[in-house]
Order: sequence, then structure tokens, then C-alpha cells
Amino acid sequence: GENVGLHLPTLSVQEGDNSIINCAYSNSASDYFIWYKQESGKGPQFIIDIRSNMDKRQGQRVTVLLNKTVKHLSLQIAATQPGDSAVYFCAEKRDYKLSFGAGTTVTVRA
Amino acid sequence: NAGVTQTPKFQVLKTGQSMTLQCAQDMNHEYMSWYRQDPGMGLRLIHYSVGAGITDQGEVPNGYNVSRSTTEDFPLRLLSAAPSQTSVYFCASTHRDRENEQYFGPGTRLTVT
Repeated sequence: GENVGLHLPTLSVQEGDNSIINCAYSNSASDYFIWYKQESGKGPQFIIDIRSNMDKRQGQRVTVLLNKTVKHLSLQIAATQPGDSAVYFCAEKRDYKLSFGAGTTVTVRA
Repeated sequence: NAGVTQTPKFQVLKTGQSMTLQCAQDMNHEYMSWYRQDPGMGLRLIHYSVGAGITDQGEVPNGYNVSRSTTEDFPLRLLSAAPSQTSVYFCASTHRDRENEQYFGPGTRLTVT
């Protein structure tokens, strides 16, 4: 979607390191911000979401940070594993509709 | 549970032909959506439905029709295929109490020549 985008199209990470994937957005009226993971040849898979009135939310090995001042969203993956290699999309939700960014391709180096 | 299923997996059409992409889910989800994904881009919402008998337009609805006669099925119809509709199409469903957690099908890769 035109209101959501990612800073970098690709990210290469050493196995075991932490990954940080960034996303900029422009629509302040969104209700939620959401991260999806898409493995090659598959449909996207939900990872984690954060409500627009929150700053941080943690899941299993993932943390999402929301900075509303600079309209920035990030996904942190702890101890990156080979199975984390995928395209990661941020999306914003307003009413029922999702708007997706272009995605960041994460490659995990052994 | 099979989850969200889509047929066909691949399809080649000639310009002007029509066809229907099938989508079904067995999770009793109220909401269903259709997206298209083009190279280097995120997914764009075509149409969505919040329940049987209810559909609405998304970001890129032109050239596509949908209907929702049952909770389980949400077919997408291409009325007169154009090369610009070459894309990968994903169907998704979600429970109304967990709207953010959409379950996506495996996709249909459509080529229009």
C-alpha cells in the first residue's frame, strides 16, 4: 500500500544474531500495525500485531516497537534462525482493511 | 482442518477470457478477503466480505467481482482478463474477534497473455 513502506528491501543476518526490520508509515489513523512473514511459495503468515496506542509488544522471540512520533515500526527477531529466512511485511489496519508495505527479504547466513 | 484452500494453483488465460478463482475455508471464519501480489510489492486488497451476503470493495476492485453465498466460499471472478491482471492471488480468512490474524491460502498464480 502507498501508506506503508519498509526502509530496506533486503537484510542479511548471521545465524544467532538479532534481526531488526524497519517500516515507515504515514497514516496516523490506523488502528493496528501488523507483521506478516511470507516464505517462498506460500501465503503470508501472521507474526504479531500492536495496537496504535501501544509502544511495544513482545511475542515468542519477536518484539514489535511502535514510535508514533516519527511514524516508525520495527520488528526485532531474537537469535535469528535459518527458518526465519522469508519476506517480512508490515501492514496497517484501519476498519477491516489491511494495507501492506513492499516487504523486506531476510536471508540468514549459516 | 484444511484451513484456506485455493484452486487452481496455476492458470493461463488469454486476454478477454473470464474465469473464477475458488477459495474455501473450513474454520467458520466470518471475514474473507482477496488480495493480489505483484513482484516487489506488498499485497493489495481487491474485495472483502464480513459475512455471507455482504461484500465490499478494497483498494483495487476494478475488473473483479465477488459473491459470498455461504460462510465457507468466496470466489473471485475475472470478467474479461487483461495482461495487467497477471499476478499471484491470495485468499484470506479471519475470525471476527481476531481480525488482525488473517489466514492465507497458498495462492493462485495467474498469467494473462
